[in-house]
Amino acid sequence: ETGVTQTPRHLVMGMTNKKSLKCEQHLGHNAMYWYKQSAKKPLELMFVYSLEERVENNSVPSRFSPECPNSSHLFLHLHTLQPEDSALYLCASSQDLGEGTEAFFGQGTRLTVV
Amino acid sequence: GQQVMQIPQYQHVQEGEDFTTYCNSSTTLSNIQWYKQRPGGHPVFLIQLVKSGEVKKQKRLTFQFGEAKKNSSLHITATQTTDVGTYFCAGIGGSLHSNYQLIWGAGTKLIIKP
Repeated sequence: ETGVTQTPRHLVMGMTNKKSLKCEQHLGHNAMYWYKQSAKKPLELMFVYSLEERVENNSVPSRFSPECPNSSHLFLHLHTLQPEDSALYLCASSQDLGEGTEAFFGQGTRLTVV
Repeated sequence: GQQVMQIPQYQHVQEGEDFTTYCNSSTTLSNIQWYKQRPGGHPVFLIQLVKSGEVKKQKRLTFQFGEAKKNSSLHITATQTTDVGTYFCAGIGGSLHSNYQLIWGAGTKLIIKP
């Protein structure tokens, strides 16, 4: 148990569906992240939040929409996804932004777009 | 942009043999972190290296950071079945922009031959 919980663990959705991924951290951390992990590729950082403010959006398509209502919760809203968006979506948190802060990952949501 | 190249992509070893994975950055890094992801799991932090030429050990694992802070390696002595998984390096760049953002290698998958 890492202290970072993601739901659901698995999700299958059609290209016209709208769904949301949820992440909750119980570690009192100030920074939260969304990553995409595809086979044979490096982890891709999607969004970074620090103290509920978005500080990074790495050219992510608008069909992915993050939300951070408080420092413990992070959502990723999905709509009109493409099959190439199928991947493992990982949420992570760290004490703060900056050097020397290790990332704690959730178990991930395995997303399949059909 | 900054890149971290990690090789090899896969390594098959007999149990008891050694394993090494290497990371090379296109730019000087402030520090480098190593993570392990078990099959079906999520990345778990192993260690962080900060100083030029630093060497750290965790039991059978030896981590090195190059003198120029552009490369790093992880060496496992006498592998065991519990070592199976994918090992990732992740560096924080030395530039002022996004000095908190981890730049990830693609990972090296350690496979133990039966």
